[in-house]
Amino acid sequence: AQKITQTQPGMFVQEKEAVTLDCTYDTSDQSYGLFWYKQPSSGEMIFLIYQGSYDEQNATEGRYSLNFQKARKSANLVISASQLGDSAMYFCAMREDTGRRALTFGSGTRLQVQP
Amino acid sequence: NAGVTQTPKFRVLKTGQSMTLLCAQDMNHEYMYWYRQDPGMGLRLIHYSVGEGTTAKGEVPDGYNVSRLKKQNFLLGLESAAPSQTSVYFCASSRRPAGGGETQYFGPGTRLLVL
Repeated sequence: AQKITQTQPGMFVQEKEAVTLDCTYDTSDQSYGLFWYKQPSSGEMIFLIYQGSYDEQNATEGRYSLNFQKARKSANLVISASQLGDSAMYFCAMREDTGRRALTFGSGTRLQVQP
Repeated sequence: NAGVTQTPKFRVLKTGQSMTLLCAQDMNHEYMYWYRQDPGMGLRLIHYSVGEGTTAKGEVPDGYNVSRLKKQNFLLGLESAAPSQTSVYFCASSRRPAGGGETQYFGPGTRLLVL
C-alpha cells in the first residue's frame, strides 16, 4: 500500500521568500508518479507539478520545483519568491503507475504568505 | 471544454435520505474517480472506473454505490445518508495511461452536509 506523509500542518513565509513543503512517501512499487496540488480557499484542486520515479532531473514549473530524493523517499515542493496568492493548502500525492492509477494524498500543509 | 463538472455544488440531506452526485467530463477520458475530503485530511478514494460499464471499490467504499453507464458520466449514490458522510466530494478523470505526468483533472467539488 502507498502512503504519503506531510509533517507540516501549517507554514508561514514572508512574501518574496522561498519556502519548502515536506513530503515523504512509502511504496513498494518501482514505477510511480509524485504530484503536488494546490487547494485555495475556494476549494478547487489545482495541479502544480509532477515527478516520475524514473526521472533523474528534478521537475520545475515556473516558481515551483520538486526536490526529489528517491533513496530517502522524499518529494519536497519548493516555492520560490512567494506571493500572497500562494496562500493555500498544498497536497502531496502519489499515483501508482499500474492498475487503477489512483492518487493517494497526504494530509496537506496550510501555507500562509505574510506581506 | 467544460472539463469536469459536478452536480450539485451543495446539498443538505437528512439522515436516511438518498441522493446521487453526478460527474460529467467532456475530455473523452477513460478513467474516472470519486474522492472524499474530510476536514484536515487529504482526498481519499471511494470508487473508480477504468472504462464505460466498469467500476471498482477504492479505500472507503462503504455506504456508496457508483455507476458508469456512459463514458462521460460517473454517478455516485448514497442510498441511506449518514452524518459520517458529511464531506466534500471530488470527481476526477484522466486519460488511458499514457505514461508521464498525465494528471487527473478534478471537478469543483460537491459539499454535502448530512444532518
